[in-house]
Amino acid sequence: QSALTQPASVSGSPGQSITISCTGTSSDFGGYNYVSWYQQHPGKAPQLMIYDVSKRPSGISNRFSGSKSGNTASLTISGLQAEDEAYYYCCSYAGSRTWVFGGGTKLTVL
Amino acid sequence: EVQLVESGGGLVQPGGSLRLSCAASGFTFSSYWMSWVRQAPGKGLEWVANIKQDGGDKYYVDSVKGRFTISRDNAKNSLYLQMNSLRAEDTAVYYCAREGPSYYMDVWGKGTTVTVSS
Repeated sequence: QSALTQPASVSGSPGQSITISCTGTSSDFGGYNYVSWYQQHPGKAPQLMIYDVSKRPSGISNRFSGSKSGNTASLTISGLQAEDEAYYYCCSYAGSRTWVFGGGTKLTVL
Repeated sequence: EVQLVESGGGLVQPGGSLRLSCAASGFTFSSYWMSWVRQAPGKGLEWVANIKQDGGDKYYVDSVKGRFTISRDNAKNSLYLQMNSLRAEDTAVYYCAREGPSYYMDVWGKGTTVTVSS
């Protein structure tokens, strides 16, 4: 149950696009396409942004998109806005109804 | 409105016990798997435990096995986490979360803070 690997920080200017990577092993990602992404503003609860690798919950902007290739999942945010500045966590189903999160990435909007 | 509200956090000495509660409203609680997720100060999220709709299946992260017990009362729309033999490294904000129809957590509470310190 080792954490997934994410970059500690990424940054971008308003209007730009950024991508956050999330790397696991075959035992976490394995054959599962159950990667989800969560946004967390300081002092707040996490919010689901992407599930099942690339699906967006109702109400989430289409500026947020997800993908996965092999043991690496990615979250892309296009048209960066000031309110996107937050921490982002990836999460994968790890089998036997257990979960593993990434270490988190701090997104700074310059 | 779909809502989860945690309670029961506080300051406890190492080796002590605490019971967290999570009150659910706005959805059919008995239809969902439920999880506890924690976040140590300045750290990332860590999944702790989850429980099946009928309480029959329960899973835990290795670091809490044998010390924590997850349970639920569907008649009261409530989720619980009994924490025994607490350690300093259990200090965290504990979130209650609903697991969606697929494998994700789509509703989160605001969390309750547990501090283990002498």
